[in-house]
Parts: sequence; C-alpha cells; structure tokens
Amino acid sequence: QVQLQESGPGLVKPSETLSLTCTISGGSISTYYWSWIRQSPGKGLEWIGYIYYSGSINYNPSLKSRVTISVDTSKNQFSLKLTSVTAADTAVYYCARRKDVWGQGTTVTVSS
Amino acid sequence: DVVMTQSPLSLPVTLGQPASISCRSSQSLVYSDGNTYLNWFQQRPGQSPRRLIYKISNRDSGVPDRFSGSGSGTDFTLKISRVEAEDVGVYYCMQGTHWPWTFGQGTKVEIK
Repeated sequence: QVQLQESGPGLVKPSETLSLTCTISGGSISTYYWSWIRQSPGKGLEWIGYIYYSGSINYNPSLKSRVTISVDTSKNQFSLKLTSVTAADTAVYYCARRKDVWGQGTTVTVSS
Repeated sequence: DVVMTQSPLSLPVTLGQPASISCRSSQSLVYSDGNTYLNWFQQRPGQSPRRLIYKISNRDSGVPDRFSGSGSGTDFTLKISRVEAEDVGVYYCMQGTHWPWTFGQGTKVEIK
C-alpha cells in the first residue's frame, strides 16, 4: 500500500525559504493528485495546495505569492517551497495523496 | 473562504455510549457535479489525520461501521454508535467543494 514520507530541515530562519520533499513508496506519482497541508496551534489545519502529476496546480490564495509545489516523476517525489517565512509558518507539514493517504508529518520551526 | 463550524468542541463520552458531532458550513457544499464533498477526519494523539468519511456518508476502507455520516447542504453530522477507547482523539470536518478546501476547528473526544 502507498506510503508517504516528508523530509527536510526542521529549523528555518525568518525570511528564508522552507523546502520539503515528500517521497512516495508503494505507488506511482503518475496518478491522482498530491497535496501539502499544515497544522499549527494558531490556525489549525490549512490546505496549502495540490498538484496533479501532469503539472496542473492549485495554491491556497493566502499563500499563493510565496508557495511553489513541484513534481519529480523520476524520483517519485513532490516538493514544497515556501519563501520569506515568518514565525507564523511554524507548523507540522503533511504531504498527502488526494485526501485519503497522509504522511506522518514533519515539524518545521521558524526561528533565528 | 468557506468557514466550517463544529460543535461541540469538547465531547466527554462514556465507553459504549453514542457520540455525535455537528458541522455547519458557511455556504452550500453541493458541487456543480451534484456531489457534496464533505469529509470527516480522525486525529489520534501523536498521529496524522486519517480520513473516515467522504462525500457525507461513505466510509473509507477499514473504518469500523460504528462511524456514520449524514447531512446535506450546509449541515452535517458524524455519529459514533458505541464509543470505544481507540476512538479518543480530535475529529475534523473538511469541505472539498470550494477552493481553498477548509477544515473545522476540531472536536476533542475523550472518555469520561
């Protein structure tokens, strides 16, 4: 069965770029759509955006100016980049296949 | 954005007794294709969210039949017929009809 694993730095400095990767095992990225979601005590669960393997993308308007989601089919991975981070971006970040399969999440703290 | 409002926010329940969580949306969740993309998620302590119900009342694979969903339009309900110890956690409704998809604030289910 398909499993997802997030990876990336757990600590990012303010104004820098947060970069995370989601590695898919037990299934192919070349079907369905793939999402990033985050969870923070202050804002709860927030859907960041999703991407189809074909490249079609939808970003949350609240983050659209700072976020990029991309797919690497050769590595069966997809990625998240969030620029100009602040403390408000501190959260647990999840990757997901559609809405039904989620990774375990990775905690990202924004602090100097 | 569509606002999802859950009640109650805290729900102490006796083992073996039923539980019910309400979710209301700020606008109709009926999509142009006629489907209503209302989901319910369970988040056990220390775990990532797990989808239980999709399109109002359809259980995901492996979800016990003591969980059921109902509702229409803007009013939805998740019911647990007989609460078991493993049901402790936070439950979220989530709409997938209007972008950006949004979650309720969560209902914490605990054992009395």
